[in-house]
Amino acid sequence: DIRMTQSPASLSASLGETVNIECLASEDIYSDLAWYQQKPGKSPQLLIYNANSLQNGVPSRFSGSGSGTQYSLKINSLQSEDVATYFCQQYNNYPFTFGSGTKLEIK
Amino acid sequence: EVQLVETGGGLVQPGRSLKLSCVASGFTFNNYWMSWTRQAPGKGLEWVASITNSGGSTYYPDSVKGRFTISRDNAQNTLYLQMNSLRSEDTATYYCTREEGNNYFDYWGQGVMVTVSS
Repeated sequence: DIRMTQSPASLSASLGETVNIECLASEDIYSDLAWYQQKPGKSPQLLIYNANSLQNGVPSRFSGSGSGTQYSLKINSLQSEDVATYFCQQYNNYPFTFGSGTKLEIK
Repeated sequence: EVQLVETGGGLVQPGRSLKLSCVASGFTFNNYWMSWTRQAPGKGLEWVASITNSGGSTYYPDSVKGRFTISRDNAQNTLYLQMNSLRSEDTATYYCTREEGNNYFDYWGQGVMVTVSS
């Protein structure tokens, strides 16, 4: 199974700041990586797919990058509505696997 | 508007069975692969099963293989998850998910809670 190591586990940042969340795959996943946002008490929502493609309707302050085994999610100009837990997921190989999540709070 | 509505959750004893359903609307159901993904209380996400658009092929992780069966009725726009020999570690919220492109999950249902306990 491909292991997805996500960091940091939690993050506290101020409104307007830029934050980065990292995801490291245990092997090359050829950009088959998605990022999801899960707000408290809600279902996850797709933000980014294919490592860097923005899902329709997602604000442009979210962006994804990376290749091979290293990927990142960047949130520019942090807003209060960005408080959530963020998960990465690889879909290059079965079984699909997720990172353990990054809980983002506002300082 | 895409909607996925799960039903069938509840409290079940270890070793017993439960069947979840997911009714889809707002898209052409038989054009899409579908999946189930779960989340134990306070934990991360775990993919549980996928099925091709025709229902001809299914995929599972080792943790549920042989115990869970994913199926679909394209005439009724409904996805199912038959869960047998349930264990305490199967306790989770189960999400119905639509697969897009290379198998990422572009839509999620609201989730249904399954609790396995005596």
